[in-house]
Amino acid sequence: NAGVTQTPKFQVLKTGQSMTLQCAQDMNHEYMSWYRQDPGMGLRLIHYSVGAGITDQGEVPNGYNVSRSTTEDFPLRLLSAAPSQTSVYFCASQRGTLNTEAFFGQGTRLTVV
Amino acid sequence: LAKTTQPISMDSYEGQEVNITCSHNNIATNDYITWYQQFPSQGPRFIIQGYKTKVTNEVASLFIPADRKSSTLSLPRVSLSDTAVYYCLVGDLGRDTGRRALTFGSGTRLQVQP
Repeated sequence: NAGVTQTPKFQVLKTGQSMTLQCAQDMNHEYMSWYRQDPGMGLRLIHYSVGAGITDQGEVPNGYNVSRSTTEDFPLRLLSAAPSQTSVYFCASQRGTLNTEAFFGQGTRLTVV
Repeated sequence: LAKTTQPISMDSYEGQEVNITCSHNNIATNDYITWYQQFPSQGPRFIIQGYKTKVTNEVASLFIPADRKSSTLSLPRVSLSDTAVYYCLVGDLGRDTGRRALTFGSGTRLQVQP
């Protein structure tokens, strides 16, 4: 199994541009989430989803949108990139309850200039 | 969600046992304790989870005293490859509690020297 796959691995954007970070999982997990990690810091939750068609905001949702049209995919959209969004983005998935193991993707390193 | 406190960093040498303690004084009755490991440039990886007493797997042991206000992750005979950041997470992450995603703190940065 591929697990959790994120694309792209690296991306450079200009301020004001928009883009979508892709996340796909092949484990049929209900729960998916997006985190950002700034240098030397822990992970901060951006958005999460408990199933297809259901999303909710996390700790730092401003500037990001998500949708969950299928169980497998959970894309993260940056509406108008800002330098403050320069970070490493991780996508994660889990089975139905959160006491189970979370599987993380390899991350997308985003730089906004 | 119970707040956790961990040391910011720890140093060790190859072959030693490393114990990382996490304080969670406000842990609730239904809360579980979970540890994740993160290597540079990678996503976190689940290590171990427990509710009380002791849990052991092929990677680590987790010791939880009776009052559950702290927990200790024990890594036996560390090697250079155990250099990573270790996160302690505490919370009731069940379906009916309203919590729907993990919350990470800053973690403990473990540096293993040769």
